[in-house]
Amino acid sequence: NAGVTQTPKFRVLKTGQSMTLLCAQDMNHEYMYWYRQDPGMGLRLIHYSVGEGTTAKGEVPDGYNVSRLKKQNFLLGLESAAPSQTSVYFCASSRDRVYEKLFFGSGTQLSVL
Amino acid sequence: DQQVKQNSPSLSVQEGRISILNCDYTNSMFDYFLWYKKYPAEGPTFLISISSIKDKNEDGRFTVFLNKSAKHLSLHIVPSQPGDSAVYFCAASDSGTASKLTFGTGTRLQVTL
Repeated sequence: NAGVTQTPKFRVLKTGQSMTLLCAQDMNHEYMYWYRQDPGMGLRLIHYSVGEGTTAKGEVPDGYNVSRLKKQNFLLGLESAAPSQTSVYFCASSRDRVYEKLFFGSGTQLSVL
Repeated sequence: DQQVKQNSPSLSVQEGRISILNCDYTNSMFDYFLWYKKYPAEGPTFLISISSIKDKNEDGRFTVFLNKSAKHLSLHIVPSQPGDSAVYFCAASDSGTASKLTFGTGTRLQVTL
């Protein structure tokens, strides 16, 4: 049982490059989320989705785009990476309402030089 | 504005003793609270939760206390074990609004032998 899988686990980008982080869940969850974790800041919500084909902005959406074309996948895109986007990114999913327990992936360490 | 605060970045406790992790919140609309535990290089995992209709919830060695008037919650671990060494995040939700959890900045617990 894989749960929530994130790829890649590590990535180094140059400023201005683009990339896509992939999140896949095999629990048939409706809700999916992208968080970033920075020192002294905790986890902050970037974007989330309440079902296939839907997306919504979280606390810190600027510089990111997302897509949920299939229920099991949630993609996070950086069109033009900036050093401020250096962070650890976590994907999570949940069955329904927000206060349900989230299941997190193991994270993607992204460095933007 | 940090709506969920964990003012102690780190805590060291001897094995067998009680660990007390604290969390304060400012948003009076929060009505559901959770604690997550995170090991290095892994995603956070759910530990325990409490609804605002309760003031205590227990699960084995873990107990969460909620003081609504003080907007304060705490996690007690008794007895502490070396495997409890991790970063602990508290999180809060307003079930009446948009789908997101607000996380605190985390407290690193080290349980020493």
